[in-house]
Amino acid sequence: DAGVTQSPTHLIKTRGQQVTLRCSPISGHKSVSWYQQVLGQGPQFIFQYYEKEERGRGNFPDRFSARQFPNYSSELNVNALLLGDSALYLCASSLDGSPRWEQYFGPGTRLTVT
Amino acid sequence: KQEVTQIPAALSVPEGENLVLNCSFTDSAIYNLQWFRQDPGKGLTSLLLIQSSQREQTSGRLNASLDKSSGRSTLYIAASQPGDSATYLCAVVGYGGSQGNLIFGKGTKLSVKP
Repeated sequence: DAGVTQSPTHLIKTRGQQVTLRCSPISGHKSVSWYQQVLGQGPQFIFQYYEKEERGRGNFPDRFSARQFPNYSSELNVNALLLGDSALYLCASSLDGSPRWEQYFGPGTRLTVT
Repeated sequence: KQEVTQIPAALSVPEGENLVLNCSFTDSAIYNLQWFRQDPGKGLTSLLLIQSSQREQTSGRLNASLDKSSGRSTLYIAASQPGDSATYLCAVVGYGGSQGNLIFGKGTKLSVKP
């Protein structure tokens, strides 16, 4: 079975632009979470979605938004990009978002803002 | 507010050594603790998940223990190999907030010398 997939792999954007990152969960998983990892730090929680509804949001500005589709895939959007948004963006999937279940991560999207 | 700390930040050992990585967390009200491996520029690979009711989990040469009352977990790697070189991250899922979101430490960067 395929694991969590993310696209694109790498992305270079200019300050002020907008970006959309995509994630497909493991087949059968209904919950998707997004994390931001800046160099040298552990990942920071951005959003969790389950059954197309937002289940939780981390301490990120409103420039960050996300959605989940009926097939459980998800998009993360970031508007008005800042240099500080440069990071590895990770998507994780789990069965139903319950804290009992193991989370599985994708390979990430490396975003560079110049 | 839950905080996760990993010590040491970096570790270099000769091949064949047994080693221990440490993780501590400030709030013992957790659902579970998960250990991950991250290769440079890559996503996270789940190694072990320990539920709050468990004391340890084992997978091959890896053994993770959990002492919830003292807020500590250790990852024991037996007979280390150069292929074990990577950054090891621990993360907890806590009560409250967005259930299911992981709170990470900054990781321990392990280098195993041939």
